[in-house]
Amino acid sequence: GENVEQHPSTLSVQEGDSAVIKCTYSDSASNYFPWYKQELGKGPQLIIDIRSNVGEKKDQRIAVTLNKTAKHFSLHITETQPEDSAVYFCATLFSGTYKYIFGTGTRLKVLA
Amino acid sequence: NAGVTQTPKFQVLKTGQSMTLQCAQDMNHNSMYWYRQDPGMGLRLIYYSASEGTTDKGEVPNGYNVSRLNKREFSLRLESAAPSQTSVYFCASSERRAGNTEAFFGQGTRLTVV
Repeated sequence: GENVEQHPSTLSVQEGDSAVIKCTYSDSASNYFPWYKQELGKGPQLIIDIRSNVGEKKDQRIAVTLNKTAKHFSLHITETQPEDSAVYFCATLFSGTYKYIFGTGTRLKVLA
Repeated sequence: NAGVTQTPKFQVLKTGQSMTLQCAQDMNHNSMYWYRQDPGMGLRLIYYSASEGTTDKGEVPNGYNVSRLNKREFSLRLESAAPSQTSVYFCASSERRAGNTEAFFGQGTRLTVV
């Protein structure tokens, strides 16, 4: 079936360290892989995305990598700061439909 | 520019009552979505509408109905609320483009069924 698995469910890191969150998807024809950040009491917001013709994309301290053969993609946050503490979701848009499916989320805590 | 607007923000229902959650977007997007968010379960897709005039089931459609009233509005109806439907509900909209297909979310509706 169409699903996205996300790990870990919680992650605690010291300020300044790196954080990595991984997702695996089921539809080999998926071609769009975004990451969202959700702060307390708000809806999720897009922070970075990647298309299937690109292996890695960076935007300042965040990066996303994609391995289409293994059907997984990862979010990397370097030099973490307290304001990075939030819930992060991976997602994918399944090909041939407009189904936008999200992972189960990772609660990131950056410890000062 | 309001983006995606959901009403109400909070609601308490008794078991068996019905209600409709409203969602409107002002970005001229074709696709709209309803999700529920429960602790440890992430965002689960209830129903979606790829374009005006079409609706399709998502991952957890049982107990819900939807209406795509026009391009702007997409409502979610609970005909007979159950405690298992206690959750935070999010509406989202998106437009498929070559560059990206970002989903824009409303602020959420916190629903409690007692």
